[in-house]
Amino acid sequence: DAGVIQSPRHEVTEMGQEVTLRCKPISGHDYLFWYRQTMMRGLELLIYFNNNVPIDDSGMPEDRFSAKMPNASFSTLKIQPSEPRDSAVYFCASRRTGMPLLPYEQFFGPGTRLTVL
Amino acid sequence: KQEVTQIPAALSVPEGENLVLNCSFTDSAIYNLQWFRQDPGKGLTSLLLIQSSQREQTSGRLNASLDKSSGRSTLYIAASQPGDSATYLCAVDTGTASKLTFGTGTRLQVTL
Repeated sequence: DAGVIQSPRHEVTEMGQEVTLRCKPISGHDYLFWYRQTMMRGLELLIYFNNNVPIDDSGMPEDRFSAKMPNASFSTLKIQPSEPRDSAVYFCASRRTGMPLLPYEQFFGPGTRLTVL
Repeated sequence: KQEVTQIPAALSVPEGENLVLNCSFTDSAIYNLQWFRQDPGKGLTSLLLIQSSQREQTSGRLNASLDKSSGRSTLYIAASQPGDSATYLCAVDTGTASKLTFGTGTRLQVTL
């Protein structure tokens, strides 16, 4: 298994531009998570999906952020318009539902390092 | 609101030493606790997951313990090696369907 795949690995853009980050979860995993990591705030959950349906987006910082999961093997996180304070590493993670009451580990992708100038 | 604290923030030890990393959380009603390793510029690698009903988990030279009532977990690394140098993060799942709250991490350096 290739693990969670994210693209691009690095993105440099100018303020005001649209940014789209992509994620392919591990095959068979039914949960997908988007996190953001910064020096100031550490790792924060932005949104997560279960069976392609957004369950909790309370961590999405602003309306400029949106996420979609059109199918079980693909998700996007979009920032429009981007701002310098959005500069961070964005991680995607996935997990598989286990037996009742048996939690499963989250597996993380390598991240996308976003720099907004 | 769950808060997760890790102490120390940074640690440097000579190769071969046994060491303990600490993680504390404010809400003891957790579903599980997970320890991760993060190498510079890389993603997170899951090391150990302890369910709320368990007291400890072991994997090779790593042993993680959980004391829910006191809101604490420790990660014990035996016979440390330079390859163990990384940032170690603990994360707790408070049972609201997989919402992990992460600590700020302990940056470990193992020197020759």
